[in-house]
Amino acid sequence: DIQMTQSPSSESASVGDRVTITCRASQDISTRLAWFRQKPGKAPELLIFDAFYSQSGVPSRFSGSGYGTDFALTINSLQPEDSATYYCQQAKTFPWTFGQGTKVEVK
Amino acid sequence: QVQLVESGGGVVQPGRSLRLSCAASGFTFSMYGMQWVRQAPGKGLEWVAVISYDGGVQYYADSVKGRFTISRDSSKSTLSLQMNSLRGDDTAVYYCAKEKTPKTATTFDYWGQGTLVTVSS
Repeated sequence: DIQMTQSPSSESASVGDRVTITCRASQDISTRLAWFRQKPGKAPELLIFDAFYSQSGVPSRFSGSGYGTDFALTINSLQPEDSATYYCQQAKTFPWTFGQGTKVEVK
Repeated sequence: QVQLVESGGGVVQPGRSLRLSCAASGFTFSMYGMQWVRQAPGKGLEWVAVISYDGGVQYYADSVKGRFTISRDSSKSTLSLQMNSLRGDDTAVYYCAKEKTPKTATTFDYWGQGTLVTVSS
């Protein structure tokens, strides 16, 4: 199975800050990576697919990058509603696997 | 608009069975693969199973293989998950999710609200 490792596990930042979350795959997954945001008590929502394409309706402050084994999600100008847990997910090979999550707190 | 509504969760004793359903609307169900993802209380996301758009291919996580069966009824736009021999570590919120691209195994763009399964004696 492909292991997905996110860092950091948690992050605390202020409104307007830039936050970057990284995700490393245990083997090459090309650009078959997605990012999700999950607010407490809610279902996850798709932010980024195929490593850098934004899902329709997602604010432009969210961007994705990377290829192969190393990926990043950047949130520019952090907003209060971005308090959530963020997950990466590989869609290269079954079983699909998620990172362990990064909890972002907006101070 | 796309809607996915799960049902069938509840409290069940270890070793017993439960069947989850997901009613889909707002898209052409027969053109999209569908998946189940679960989340244990306070934990991260775990992919469970996938079924192809035509029902011909299924894959399962090792943790549920041989115990869970994913199926679909395109005439009713319904996805199901039959869960047998349930264990305590199957306790989780179970989400159904729609694949983003027609007839292609890709990531999920819409999720249901989830249904809680609690395995306890």
